Amino acid sequence: QKEVEQNSGPLSVPEGAIASLNCTYSDRGSQSFFWYRQYSGKSPELIMFIYSNGDKEDGRFTAQLNKASQYVSLLIRDSQPSDSATYLCAVNMNTGRRALTFGSGTRLQVQP
Amino acid sequence: GAGVSQSPSNKVTEKGKDVELRCDPISGHTALYWYRQSLGQGLEFLIYFQGNSAPDKSGLPSDRFSAERTGGSVSTLTIQRTQQEDSAVYLCASSAGTSSPLHFGNGTRLTVT
Repeated sequence: QKEVEQNSGPLSVPEGAIASLNCTYSDRGSQSFFWYRQYSGKSPELIMFIYSNGDKEDGRFTAQLNKASQYVSLLIRDSQPSDSATYLCAVNMNTGRRALTFGSGTRLQVQP
Repeated sequence: GAGVSQSPSNKVTEKGKDVELRCDPISGHTALYWYRQSLGQGLEFLIYFQGNSAPDKSGLPSDRFSAERTGGSVSTLTIQRTQQEDSAVYLCASSAGTSSPLHFGNGTRLTVT
């Protein structure tokens, strides 16, 4: 089992729809969770971070964390073509390596 | 500077040569990370520095790879005797602490011919 798992996609949604991106992680003791967006040929940029169970909203983005299920998700409301990118989930594991562990990313395509 | 600065932005080298990649983190950030990203792949952890602690080198793929961080600031990643499989984008990131968000530089695209 990978430490951080994401569906590679592509996830295709129409403009204006809600895009739902999911991530599971293996270390039950993980404390910090991050979502990064990466456009093709560019570096990852931070979208959101979440530390506590529940929802955290920032504009059109909502991060959801369920530590019991070891599951974190990112919802993008009113998706725009400019949201088309790869979304990387990153987890700060409680054991082993102290650096962030990244999933392989989900490619999102928003169709105009 | 305002962000993480990496140099060079592109490097083409011949197989067998040594290369040095430089990273200047955000001022005040105590943690510095190196990751590698091959074309179409995810981020592969290489090495992590936190303050004065011993670095976490567990991600370095071979003994041809080494990194240092001088004065708690600038870091250099050195690849000796480069191989074609070393071709990738090398990303540096810094953060205010272990649990804080990472801020990435623009990366160095390394091509080994």
